[in-house]
Amino acid sequence: AQKVTQAQTEISVVEKEDVTLDCVYETRDTTYYLFWYKQPPSGELVFLIRRNSFDEQNEISGRYSWNFQKSTSSFNFTITASQVVDSAVYFCALSEATQNTDKLIFGTGTRLQVFP
Amino acid sequence: KAGVTQTPRYLIKTRGQQVTLSCSPISGHRSVSWYQQTPGQGLQFLFEYFSETQRNKGNFPGRFSGRQFSNSRSEMNVSTLELGDSALYLCASSFGRQSSYNEQFFGPGTRLTVL
Repeated sequence: AQKVTQAQTEISVVEKEDVTLDCVYETRDTTYYLFWYKQPPSGELVFLIRRNSFDEQNEISGRYSWNFQKSTSSFNFTITASQVVDSAVYFCALSEATQNTDKLIFGTGTRLQVFP
Repeated sequence: KAGVTQTPRYLIKTRGQQVTLSCSPISGHRSVSWYQQTPGQGLQFLFEYFSETQRNKGNFPGRFSGRQFSNSRSEMNVSTLELGDSALYLCASSFGRQSSYNEQFFGPGTRLTVL
């Protein structure tokens, strides 16, 4: 069965702190994609990153970095030097490539609050 | 390039009524997916359409239906509304190519409130 678990419901930090959002996934497929989306209060889901199952290279984009580890089925997201504008709900998601569908399976989300 | 648009953005209905939500995908995209977001259940997949055909369906009752038109625009319909249908309904579009990853772009959503 496919499943995405985000154990952290809510995280509060003070500006400039580093914060890591955890994501653990389950799938039987050998080919799959993992995603992170940001949902600000406006409601629209904003795409942050996609990783395919064959690429375990970590990625850094500005203050954002992602750590993909197949051995632990985890795809964690770190924000360095957090800012108030990072406050949002963050979703991790999984898509199984062999199912001929773009269906996304989402985790329950982590609400991040960054205080000034 | 215009993004995914959804209309209406807000809707208030009463129990027992029916509702139709509309989604216009990004130009050139042939696949449209719908998701329901509620505080209790989170983001759940409703259905996916590609070239006017339903390609996948989530675990929702038959009161939830959808369709896609030849111009790729999609509508979803909920009949006999229940209080629990109150949610943010998100639409996502993609190129929809088979055997290939298709990045999905989300619209701003329609917030439905059932009284």
